Amino acid sequence: NAGVMQNPRHLVRRRGQEARLRCSPMKGHSHVYWYRQLPEEGLKFMVYLQKENIIDESGMPKERFSAEFPKEGPSILRIQQVVRGDSAAYFCASSPGGGAGNEQFFGPGTRLTVL
Amino acid sequence: AQSVTQLDSQVPVFEEAPVELRCNYSSSVSVYLFWYVQYPNQGLQLLLKYLSGSTLVESINGFEAEFNKSQTSFHLRKPSVHISDTAEYFCAVSDLILTGGGNKLTFGTGTQLKVEL
Repeated sequence: NAGVMQNPRHLVRRRGQEARLRCSPMKGHSHVYWYRQLPEEGLKFMVYLQKENIIDESGMPKERFSAEFPKEGPSILRIQQVVRGDSAAYFCASSPGGGAGNEQFFGPGTRLTVL
Repeated sequence: AQSVTQLDSQVPVFEEAPVELRCNYSSSVSVYLFWYVQYPNQGLQLLLKYLSGSTLVESINGFEAEFNKSQTSFHLRKPSVHISDTAEYFCAVSDLILTGGGNKLTFGTGTQLKVEL
């Protein structure tokens, strides 16, 4: 069973461009979380999705950021008009269900660099 | 809101020595606590977790952590470290999302464990 897949692993964008980060959860997992890790900091929750639904986006910046988890295909985190402060590692995690007893399995992350 | 404090950003230790990585949390409700390990350029891996029951939890590679409710702590310990334990360790607390039953994690800032010969 393949783990959580994220691509690309490294992404370089110039200010003002768009960044699209993809996450394929583990097989059988219908819950996806996105976290952001800024340099020298811990991971910060961004958004929690189930298939075709955004459940909690309380950690998402109000502008330029959006996320989706369609019925078919990977979850996408989209950042429009990137700025230097968006440079960070973005991690996706998946779990088979909700509740604290369900372990979140993390992908290797996408490291975004904004020039 | 919940928060997690890891006071030590770096902990150097010699191989085969014991180590303790400290973690304190604040929460107004019952919590679930986790330790994750992150090796360079990799994602996080669950090391151990406390949900309920025995306050002492153990991992398969010799780490253990003890939930102390009165001190709001969940310190991670290992009696004898190995070079391969060099990594960053994150303590996290679960914030149960009532809608949809999710499990939002709040992380500490991490402790870099460096094991030296």
